[in-house]
Amino acid sequence: EPEVTQTPSHQVTQMGQEVILRCVPISNHLYFYWYRQILGQKVEFLVSFYNNEISEKSEIFDDQFSVERPDGSNFTLKIRSTKLEDSAMYFCASSSDRRNTEAFFGQGTRLTVV
Amino acid sequence: GEDVEQSLFLSVREGDSSVINCTYTDSSSTYLYWYKQEPGAGLQLLTYIFSNMDMKQDQRLTVLLNKKEKHLSLRIADTQTGDSAIYFCAEKGQAGTALIFGKGTTLSVSS
Repeated sequence: EPEVTQTPSHQVTQMGQEVILRCVPISNHLYFYWYRQILGQKVEFLVSFYNNEISEKSEIFDDQFSVERPDGSNFTLKIRSTKLEDSAMYFCASSSDRRNTEAFFGQGTRLTVV
Repeated sequence: GEDVEQSLFLSVREGDSSVINCTYTDSSSTYLYWYKQEPGAGLQLLTYIFSNMDMKQDQRLTVLLNKKEKHLSLRIADTQTGDSAIYFCAEKGQAGTALIFGKGTTLSVSS
């Protein structure tokens, strides 16, 4: 069964460093998303991406964050200068339709900022 | 803004039915979802219901939607130890593509 894969599964970084989280969405999907879950809190929407541009973003997704689809398969989330409060589980998701009727999620990358 | 609320814990015995409840505030919700998260794994889409339906059944899973009360429930029949996980309720509004999640209900199944 096709699945969304994310790498790495766990990333530890020092405060102020840049990190890139990687995702390989399901191959025929066109809509891509990032969500995050701070420990003990809700899963929160960050950004959606379609046709090589951001289609929607939340208040959390400020100038420190960027997304890119550098080639035909990868979808990345970059955090420019990490802060302690960026520590969270980051989930990538993809869907085949614009309505996002069925979004399939990856297993997540746990980011720890020290 | 939109909000989704769930009870945090549910404990049942193997073979019993489990009912996980969720309330939401967005009256324009188009789809409502249940996701399952097992330890160390991602969010697995279990089932979803369109807002003009009031019930959906899929094998052991039954979803009930009371749109007037903005209440969604997931019933798992004959609950097994393998059903132990965190269950997330989520909704999607008419505008936009973002899913709004609840905090998740931890289901613990004892044998």
